[in-house]
Amino acid sequence: EAGVAQSPRYKIIEKRQSVAFWCNPISGHATLYWYQQILGQGPKLLIQFQNNGVVDDSQLPKDRFSAERLKGVDSTLKIQPAKLEDSAVYLCASSLGRALGGNIQYFGAGTRLSVL
Amino acid sequence: KQEVTQIPAALSVPEGENLVLNCSFTDSAIYNLQWFRQDPGKGLTSLLLIQSSQREQTSGRLNASLDKSSGRSTLYIAASQPGDSATYLCAVIHGSSNTGKLIFGQGTTLQVKP
Repeated sequence: EAGVAQSPRYKIIEKRQSVAFWCNPISGHATLYWYQQILGQGPKLLIQFQNNGVVDDSQLPKDRFSAERLKGVDSTLKIQPAKLEDSAVYLCASSLGRALGGNIQYFGAGTRLSVL
Repeated sequence: KQEVTQIPAALSVPEGENLVLNCSFTDSAIYNLQWFRQDPGKGLTSLLLIQSSQREQTSGRLNASLDKSSGRSTLYIAASQPGDSATYLCAVIHGSSNTGKLIFGQGTTLQVKP
């Protein structure tokens, strides 16, 4: 079974530039998550989708971050404009349903973003 | 606000040693607790999931325990091997959550020396 695919693996940009990350979840998984993991910290949920609807975006800095999941499959996360403190690994995860149903989240390898 | 803490931040042990990783959480009203493994440059892999009504879960050389009343969980690794070297993260879902959001600790980085 194919896992969660993310691209690119690495990205280096200068502050105030824009960047976008792409995620393709496991086939059939309705729930998709984007996490931000700063070096030395645990992942922090940015946004959670159920099919193509947003379930939780309470920790998404909406002045600069945006995400969409068109057609309830692939998703993109965008940062515009980037700040130095956005340097982190951005992880995408998917699950069959919501975690409350006992569904395990499967994680992609992540995109490591460096903002100079 | 639920907070999850893992101590120590890093641990180095010789091969073959049994070891314990600790996780504590501030609010005992959790839905479940999970332990994940993260290898450098890779995503997270779920190791064990303990429901709030359970006391422990076992998988191979791994055993995770949960004491909700004291807000603690431990991950026991028996007969450690160099291949166990990774960062171990624990995460909880708050009992009042209707989305199942995971709240992670900062992780313990384990090095097992041959």
